[in-house]
Amino acid sequence: GQNIDQPTEMTATEGAIVQINCTYQTSGFNGLFWYQQHAGEAPTFLSYNVLDGLEEKGRFSSFLSRSKGYSYLLLKELQMKDSASYLCAVRGTDSWGKLQFGAGTQVVVTP
Amino acid sequence: GAVVSQHPSRVICKSGTSVKIECRSLDFQATTMFWYRQFPKQSLMLMATSNEGSKATYEQGVEKDKFLINHASLTLSTLTVTSAHPEDSSFYICSARTGSTDTQYFGPGTRLTVL
Repeated sequence: GQNIDQPTEMTATEGAIVQINCTYQTSGFNGLFWYQQHAGEAPTFLSYNVLDGLEEKGRFSSFLSRSKGYSYLLLKELQMKDSASYLCAVRGTDSWGKLQFGAGTQVVVTP
Repeated sequence: GAVVSQHPSRVICKSGTSVKIECRSLDFQATTMFWYRQFPKQSLMLMATSNEGSKATYEQGVEKDKFLINHASLTLSTLTVTSAHPEDSSFYICSARTGSTDTQYFGPGTRLTVL
């Protein structure tokens, strides 16, 4: 089975930086995804890592260390609209590419 | 690109009735789609994997006779909640896999309320 852990909630001020950590223990690993989900809406894709290192995409960056079973999502220059739940998801090695989601981290951006 | 639609967005039904939810990939073909449900303030729970032209694969604990899945074409999968009960009230979300990284893109979700 898989165990994916991320903090429940984080609060930061507008313009600041927030780092959301995700640790995982899996029987198989074939990539890690980060999604953003606003309340009452479906998740939207943010980033994908399958090799160790940092992937940067505008204000969002994601890092992966496979040996440590660790990833983080970095949100820079926070905006009020970034208030949302951020989901870490690990893809297993099954042929369908199933994702196992963490419980999500609720980020609250304050003025 | 990679747009997934879902219909209806919201449905209210009486206990005992059946409800069909459609999931479409609008600008790509998807041999594999996934169905999730999500309870308030909880993460997504995978219900089943829908494969075009073959039977769906259900996760442990999900009743296949209650949640009927049909993936009749490369752009359409349907989930039918049969004999719905209040405990089936939830947010149902589909996703479709595409691209070189096989990323899952999600539909906007369907809010089901069973009275």
